[in-house]
Amino acid sequence: EVQLVESGGGLVQPGGSLRLSCAASGFTYSNSWMSWVRQAPGQGLEWVANIKQDGSQENYVDSVKGRFTISRDNGKNSLYLQMNSLRTEDTAVYYCAREDGYCTGGSCYFWFDPWGQGTLVTVSS
Amino acid sequence: DIQMTQSPSSLSASVGDRVTITCRASQSISSYLDWYQQKPGRAPKLLIYAASTLQSGVPSRFSGGGSGTHFTLTISSLQPEDFATYYCQQSHTVPRTFGQGTRLEIK
Repeated sequence: EVQLVESGGGLVQPGGSLRLSCAASGFTYSNSWMSWVRQAPGQGLEWVANIKQDGSQENYVDSVKGRFTISRDNGKNSLYLQMNSLRTEDTAVYYCAREDGYCTGGSCYFWFDPWGQGTLVTVSS
Repeated sequence: DIQMTQSPSSLSASVGDRVTITCRASQSISSYLDWYQQKPGRAPKLLIYAASTLQSGVPSRFSGGGSGTHFTLTISSLQPEDFATYYCQQSHTVPRTFGQGTRLEIK
């Protein structure tokens, strides 16, 4: 079974740090782009960051650039999100997701599947 | 960044109804468009990718269409388990961006 399981969420004060982890199983992890997507309470989905199969390329949404770092360990089938200088607006459920996809005729299509169950990060004093 | 706008934001319908949700991109994204379903307290679930390809295991009453800047998600005959929130998402460029969501409620 293809599965992603997040951990590491919790309560942290503004300005603090937290490291999220995501354990992957049931697929060839080292072949997949991976992403973090978050959802603030009662709000919609926001993509946060992604990382290439070998870790050589990372992309971030502007609101977290310079504060968050995505990384991976292909030997441990694990994805990470190091979150520093946390703000109250970072409060959300954080999901990890595989970016599955295929290429045809020079075009490459991607989608998020599967998703983990999510881990809640609360930034509050 | 590419902005994705869904309409309507919420929709009330009955079991058996045919419903269509629209998603518009702020610039052309070809067919780089995916649809997700999310139920309360659960992770999103992929329904459709590349604008019109049904994900394995998703009922055939779901269908997607469109290209460029205008896309649709249609549910041909609503079932009780379809009442949820639906999101479109573009995979044309980073940052990946989602629509604000359409909440489908029981009438």
